Amino acid sequence: DAKTTQPPSMDCAEGRAANLPCNHSTISGNEYVYWYRQIHSQGPQYIIHGLKNNETNEMASLIITEDRKSSTLILPHATLRDTAVYYCIVRVLQGAQKLVFGQGTRLTINP
Amino acid sequence: DTAVSQTPKYLVTQMGNDKSIKCEQNLGHDTMYWYKQDSKKFLKIMFSYNNKELIINETVPNRFSPKSPDKAHLNLHINSLELGDSAVYFCASSQTSGRVNEQFFGPGTRLTVL
Repeated sequence: DAKTTQPPSMDCAEGRAANLPCNHSTISGNEYVYWYRQIHSQGPQYIIHGLKNNETNEMASLIITEDRKSSTLILPHATLRDTAVYYCIVRVLQGAQKLVFGQGTRLTINP
Repeated sequence: DTAVSQTPKYLVTQMGNDKSIKCEQNLGHDTMYWYKQDSKKFLKIMFSYNNKELIINETVPNRFSPKSPDKAHLNLHINSLELGDSAVYFCASSQTSGRVNEQFFGPGTRLTVL
């Protein structure tokens, strides 16, 4: 079973910031928060990951609360191409760890 | 260049047949995976191979047999296909000692069993 909880769907206007929440209240000390997305019919794509500090890359920012029980993925300027299902996954960093996908959040970017 | 490739992209077959799906990665990764995405869109791990050795084997019918001839290839053979095997099958790879250890997914193989 997935160790994360996400809202099933969200909408966001094109050009605005999309903020996707995730709850992972049972996260262990050595587990990281990973985000992937799946654009329609394609394979999932890695976005970002973090342990406890906020992270930013060219795709998104990840904000993790101090108690690490929740996080938010931020797409700063959403485009239509960001319409996808976004998955929040917790796992340890090293090793051949399976990704346990929950239902994810279906994000729709509206023009 | 495609990082993780799968063939075929689409596969339509009759119940009872045997079929194979092939996966290749050119990223030099040490681990490869098979995931199944059913009609309800849930993605679930099936198998994982690390350096040609099976390390993850979820509760999958033994009609499914993965084979890894080398680190760059992981094939999935399915015997006696059933209607419930209809799904999209994704191959993935990762470098487990890497700093990020993210998994790279292939484009998927849509299997339809009639």
